[in-house]
Amino acid sequence: NAGVMQNPRHLVRRRGQEARLRCSPMKGHSHVYWYRQLPEEGLKFMVYLQKENIIDESGMPKERFSAEFPKEGPSILRIQQVVRGDSAAYFCASSPRGHTNSPLHFGNGTRLTVT
Amino acid sequence: GESVGLHLPTLSVQEGDNSIINCAYSNSASDYFIWYKQESGKGPQFIIDIRSNMDKRQGQRVTVLLNKTVKHLSLQIAATQPGDSAVYFCAENNWGSARQLTFGSGTQLTVLP
Repeated sequence: NAGVMQNPRHLVRRRGQEARLRCSPMKGHSHVYWYRQLPEEGLKFMVYLQKENIIDESGMPKERFSAEFPKEGPSILRIQQVVRGDSAAYFCASSPRGHTNSPLHFGNGTRLTVT
Repeated sequence: GESVGLHLPTLSVQEGDNSIINCAYSNSASDYFIWYKQESGKGPQFIIDIRSNMDKRQGQRVTVLLNKTVKHLSLQIAATQPGDSAVYFCAENNWGSARQLTFGSGTQLTVLP
């Protein structure tokens, strides 16, 4: 059973470009979470999605960031007009149930570098 | 604001010794706690979890202790091995009012030969 798959593993973008990060949850998981991690820091919640719905986006910056989890295909975290401060590791996690006490299963992340 | 924090940023132990990693949380409404291990270049890996109706839970070589009175969580690793070297995060959640995990800043565990 494959785990949470994220791609690309590394992404380099110039300031002003767009970054698209993809996440395929574990089989049977319909709840997806995106977290951001700066060097030597903990993970910060960004957004929680179920299929075709954004449930909680309280951690998402109001501008330039968006996320989706379509009926078919992976979840996408999109960052428009990237700036150097967007450089970080972005982790996706999934769970089979969003409202019960079950651990999140994380992918190995996408490391975004903005030059 | 409410947060999850760790007492020590780094911890070095001799191979074979026991390790104890501590975590303080401030949200008294949190009812579910998880320990994650993160190796360099990888995502967080689930180690063990505990619900607030318990004060101790054991896994393979790991034990989590929860003291709700002082809002303290600890992870004990028995017979620490080189492969245990990683950053360890505690995370808390109150599923009643939030649909996310709040992570602490992490403790770097280094196992010395």
